[in-house]
Amino acid sequence: EAGVAQSPRYKIIEKRQSVAFWCNPISGHATLYWYQQILGQGPKLLIQFQNNGVVDDSQLPKDRFSAERLKGVDSTLKIQPAKLEDSAVYLCASSLQGGLRGDTQYFGPGTRLTVL
Amino acid sequence: GDSVTQMEGPVTLSEEAFLTINCTYTATGYPSLFWYVQYPGEGLQLLLKATKADDKGSNKGFEATYRKETTSFHLEKGSVQVSDSAVYFCAEKKSSGDKLTFGTGTRLAVRP
Repeated sequence: EAGVAQSPRYKIIEKRQSVAFWCNPISGHATLYWYQQILGQGPKLLIQFQNNGVVDDSQLPKDRFSAERLKGVDSTLKIQPAKLEDSAVYLCASSLQGGLRGDTQYFGPGTRLTVL
Repeated sequence: GDSVTQMEGPVTLSEEAFLTINCTYTATGYPSLFWYVQYPGEGLQLLLKATKADDKGSNKGFEATYRKETTSFHLEKGSVQVSDSAVYFCAEKKSSGDKLTFGTGTRLAVRP
């Protein structure tokens, strides 16, 4: 079974530039998550989708971050404009259903973003 | 808000030593508890999980028991190998939602 795919793996940009990350979840998984992992910290949830609807975006900095999952499959996370403090690894995860006790989230390899 | 506290690393052990990484959580009720592992250059992988009190999760020789009375989910392994060198994350998920709350991670280095 193919895992969660993410691209690019690495990205270096200058502050105030824009950047986009792409994620393709495991086939058949209804729920998709984007996490931000700053160096030395645990991942922090940015946004959760159930199919193509947003379930939780309470920790997404909406003035500069946006995400979509238009067809309920793959997803794009965008940052515009980027700040130095956005340097982190952006992780995408998916789960079969969401809302189920013990439902496992499967993570992709992440995109490491460096903002100069 | 809810939080997960892990022992700080790095933890350095010799091969075949006993491993314990402490983890405590704050979520009330009966959250689900997880240990994820991140090997160098790879993404997070689920190591084990437990969904109710007194459950024991186990995988690859690692174990953790859900202790409601001490709000803990400590990770243990009887004999570590060099290949266990990685960063280990404890996480909780409240029964009312899907969001995983992670600890800060504990880096384990096992020397031959």
